[in-house]
Amino acid sequence: NAGVTQTPKFRILKIGQSMTLQCAQDMNHNYMYWYRQDPGMGLKLIYYSVGAGITDKGEVPNGYNVSRSTTEDFPLRLELAAPSQTSVYFCASGTSGGNYEQYFGPGTRLTVT
Amino acid sequence: KQEVTQIPAALSVPEGENLVLNCSFTDSAIYNLQWFRQDPGKGLTSLLLIQSSQREQTSGRLNASLDKSSGRSTLYIAASQPGDSATYLCAVKGVKAAGNKLTFGGGTRVLVKP
Repeated sequence: NAGVTQTPKFRILKIGQSMTLQCAQDMNHNYMYWYRQDPGMGLKLIYYSVGAGITDKGEVPNGYNVSRSTTEDFPLRLELAAPSQTSVYFCASGTSGGNYEQYFGPGTRLTVT
Repeated sequence: KQEVTQIPAALSVPEGENLVLNCSFTDSAIYNLQWFRQDPGKGLTSLLLIQSSQREQTSGRLNASLDKSSGRSTLYIAASQPGDSATYLCAVKGVKAAGNKLTFGGGTRVLVKP
């Protein structure tokens, strides 16, 4: 199993540009999450999904959008990028039962200039 | 609202010394607590997960304790090695957390000097 994969690994955007961060998992997890991590800080939840077609906002959703058309994929869309969105973005997936452990992807480092 | 705090933010110890990392949380109604390791520029690796009914969990040189009533967890790393240098994050899943989301602490950056 590849686990949770994210693309791209790095990206530089100009202010006002848009992009989509890709996330895929092959563990058949119902739950998927997007977090951002600012320098020296913990992770904050942007959006999450409890299954295909179902998404909900986390702590810091402004400036982002998500969709979940399949169990495997959970892309994060940035519209009109701003310098405040410079961060490292982590995707995670998890089970809906058991110990609820979450598994993280390697992250996407995004710089907006 | 659940808040998770890790103090100190950074720690430096000589090789061989035991590491003690602290995590505190404000709402004791948690389902579990997870400790992660993060290497510079990398993702998160899960180290230990403690269920709310457990007092401790062990894996090799790592031991994590949980005192739910006082809102504290401690990660002990015995006989530290330079390879243990990393940032350690704790995260809790609240009993009523929508979507099973985790609340993270800010992390403790550890440097083990040879």
